[in-house]
Amino acid sequence: ETGVTQTPRHLVMGMTNKKSLKCEQHLGHNAMYWYKQSAKKPLELMFVYSLEERVENNSVPSRFSPECPNSSHLFLHLHTLQPEDSALYLCASSQELKANYGYTFGSGTRLTVV
Amino acid sequence: SQKIEQNSEALNIQEGKTATLTCNYTNYSPAYLQWYRQDPGRGPVFLLLIRENEKEKRKERLKVTFDTTLKQSLFHITASQPADSATYLCALRNSGNTPLVFGKGTRLSVIA
Repeated sequence: ETGVTQTPRHLVMGMTNKKSLKCEQHLGHNAMYWYKQSAKKPLELMFVYSLEERVENNSVPSRFSPECPNSSHLFLHLHTLQPEDSALYLCASSQELKANYGYTFGSGTRLTVV
Repeated sequence: SQKIEQNSEALNIQEGKTATLTCNYTNYSPAYLQWYRQDPGRGPVFLLLIRENEKEKRKERLKVTFDTTLKQSLFHITASQPADSATYLCALRNSGNTPLVFGKGTRLSVIA
């Protein structure tokens, strides 16, 4: 394990469902991120949190709703998704937002929207 | 527009040879560049970070170079092994608090 834990690992949901992805880190990191990874595409940044405050929302549709209740936990709430939202959703953390820190990623949640 | 290009989608090399992967970027002025390894179904794993004022960085069998004039980074794995087979991602960020932006990656296969 990397120190960043994502649950569930796999999720199949209908377009009318509501579900949540969970990310947890106990590395003492202050910044957390959601990325989307689709086949043949680079990782797409979705949301950035620093010290529990959202600092970036990268033009993500409102059917994705992040929540960061504390610096160790990050959620991605999903509702009325589309089949094209099927992808690997990755959570990452870093010590700070600053440029000279590597990211620690979780193993991701493989989401399939049917 | 800003681009990060990793020159090959896939690269096959013989075990024991040196693998060289390329990352080119346009319309960025990165202060830092990073390389990650990603195995199928897993998240990326941080390997190395190189700063704009560093020409070269080494870690065991890995070597990274960073040429801000050419806007290019090279990632080398010497004495490659089948266990090095994975997708390698280049990522960069400008100075300040901008998040990492990733390339599509190069899938490396080391053949025994």
